[in-house]
Amino acid sequence: AQSVTQLDSQVPVFEEAPVELRCNYSSSVSVYLFWYVQYPNQGLQLLLKYLSGSTLVESINGFEAEFNKSQTSFHLRKPSVHISDTAEYFCAVSVFGNEKLTFGTGTRLTIIP
Amino acid sequence: ETGVTQTPRHLVMGMTNKKSLKCEQHLGHNAMYWYKQSAKKPLELMFVYSLEERVENNSVPSRFSPECPNSSHLFLHLHTLQPEDSALYLCASSQGGGGGTEAFFGQGTRLTVV
Repeated sequence: AQSVTQLDSQVPVFEEAPVELRCNYSSSVSVYLFWYVQYPNQGLQLLLKYLSGSTLVESINGFEAEFNKSQTSFHLRKPSVHISDTAEYFCAVSVFGNEKLTFGTGTRLTIIP
Repeated sequence: ETGVTQTPRHLVMGMTNKKSLKCEQHLGHNAMYWYKQSAKKPLELMFVYSLEERVENNSVPSRFSPECPNSSHLFLHLHTLQPEDSALYLCASSQGGGGGTEAFFGQGTRLTVV
């Protein structure tokens, strides 16, 4: 079975500062990795995903994540955050042959003006 | 508009009530899911339906009863719930078939059991 660890439950960041949200996973087989975002009173939306190929993946709103197999990590980064990035961010993993997603506990990103 | 619609958005029910949550997807997906989201806990996968057949039931109490009449609709029937069942219930769909596919989520139903 696979698992996902998001050690930071809350991350406060000043507007226009950089941010990193950490995600580590555990699995005995190859994985697919995802970051989902949940804005207040909304469902989850896919932010970006890693399936194969380049280990650096990007979203359309400036986030990026890098798959690091040796460290079993998939940290999410943004060089300059905006108020609109205030949300909860969930890391998730699935494995080949099974579309079931296993989620972490989430990290609440709060942007300080 | 995510393509996955859940109704109602909010529900307050007593422990002796019977109610149902509804989920509808217009994306042509063949897999649908119910998740429970509680504060400070990972999203808990409750049920998975693939091609209208239940393929996973993660030890969910029998007071939760899912129904998938067709590939576009998913229900969660609730009866004799407990206060600890209060949570956000999320429905999702995906084009199942082997992992790596994106799940699309509805906005959820905020359930309060009194």
